[in-house]
Amino acid sequence: GAVVSQHPSWVICKSGTSVKIECRSLDFQATTMFWYRQFPKQSLMLMATSNEGSKATYEQGVEKDKFLINHASLTLSTLTVTSAHPEDSSFYICSARAGTQGSYEQYFGPGTRLTVT
Amino acid sequence: GENVEQHPSTLSVQEGDSAVIKCTYSDSASNYFPWYKQELGKRPQLIIDIRSNVGEKKDQRIAVTLNKTAKHFSLHITETQPEDSAVYFCAASIQRNTPLVFGKGTRLSVIA
Repeated sequence: GAVVSQHPSWVICKSGTSVKIECRSLDFQATTMFWYRQFPKQSLMLMATSNEGSKATYEQGVEKDKFLINHASLTLSTLTVTSAHPEDSSFYICSARAGTQGSYEQYFGPGTRLTVT
Repeated sequence: GENVEQHPSTLSVQEGDSAVIKCTYSDSASNYFPWYKQELGKRPQLIIDIRSNVGEKKDQRIAVTLNKTAKHFSLHITETQPEDSAVYFCAASIQRNTPLVFGKGTRLSVIA
């Protein structure tokens, strides 16, 4: 089956620093990737939709200058949390859709737990 | 935009009993409805999905039903086992390249 990886799996950083999270589709080309944030005991909240070669589409309320998304290739999307603050501590999960016709399934990465101190 | 409501938020059942989780959606254009199981600290895992051209789908102990007219869909787990304990999310999507909109989740506890 399709595999999506994320790196790192967890990261602790100091307030004010930036953190980059990578999302890779390992065995398929992902024309579209999605970034979600999940706080404890809550649902997945969509942050942005990332399309290869174009700018990401951010959901309302998500600061695009704070959460920088780059989808430079069909297998890699990155999320950079700039000037991180404790309230940005969360579980960040990416997902990817294959480019094949008729495929609706999203494949999720294992997630990255970010802790900002 | 699409809004997905999920009930109940928590559900406890005795091992061997059935569990039912219900979701409603708002956008009649939605045509893909997956269900995910998420264990603590792990990624959501697809357990079953249904497209709008089908009313029911079954996979062993798991089944999903869809009522397009009423805009609701349900997950049915029969003969529950302790390992079924997890958080379950329903979701809806309009097109292939649009994101999934998730319900708020149901924490299922199966008591041995």
